[in-house]
Amino acid sequence: DAGVIQSPRHEVTEMGQEVTLRCKPISGHDYLFWYRQTMMRGLELLIYFNNNVPIDDSGMPEDRFSAKMPNASFSTLKIQPSEPRDSAVYFCASTTGTYGYTFGSGTRLTVV
Amino acid sequence: SQKIEQNSEALNIQEGKTATLTCNYTNYSPAYLQWYRQDPGRGPVFLLLIRENEKEKRKERLKVTFDTTLKQSLFHITASQPADSATYLCALRGYAGNKLTFGGGTRVLVKP
Repeated sequence: DAGVIQSPRHEVTEMGQEVTLRCKPISGHDYLFWYRQTMMRGLELLIYFNNNVPIDDSGMPEDRFSAKMPNASFSTLKIQPSEPRDSAVYFCASTTGTYGYTFGSGTRLTVV
Repeated sequence: SQKIEQNSEALNIQEGKTATLTCNYTNYSPAYLQWYRQDPGRGPVFLLLIRENEKEKRKERLKVTFDTTLKQSLFHITASQPADSATYLCALRGYAGNKLTFGGGTRVLVKP
């Protein structure tokens, strides 16, 4: 298995633009998570899905953030409009049951 | 509020020695605790999981203890090697849902 695949690896965008981050979880994993990592706040959970259904989105910072999981092999995290304070590394992770998570390599987002 | 605390100061250790990291938590009743390793520019990698009714877990040169009375987990790397240099994160999951909350991580530097 190729692991959790995220794209793009790096994204530089201007303030106000829409940003879409993509994730392909490991086949057979029924949980998918979106995390954000910054030096100041560490690794924060934004939202997670179980069997493609959003379960907990309490970590989504505001309405500018939205996430979808249209099928078991694909999820997106969208920021519209983007702001400089959204600059961070965004990780997608997947798992099944109560096992450890498998993280992707992350997307480093810079909003200028 | 719930807190997960790890020593934010880097741990410098000589090759061959045992590195011991601490994870303390408050206002939390975890069902289990996990440890991850993160290298620069990469996503966290799952190492070990220990349940609330387990006292100790081992995997190769790694050992984790979990004391729910002290609300603390200790993570040991025995016979440390320069390749063990990384940031180590602890994470807790409660009984409801399947979301992991991460501590801030401790950087370990093993010197030859």
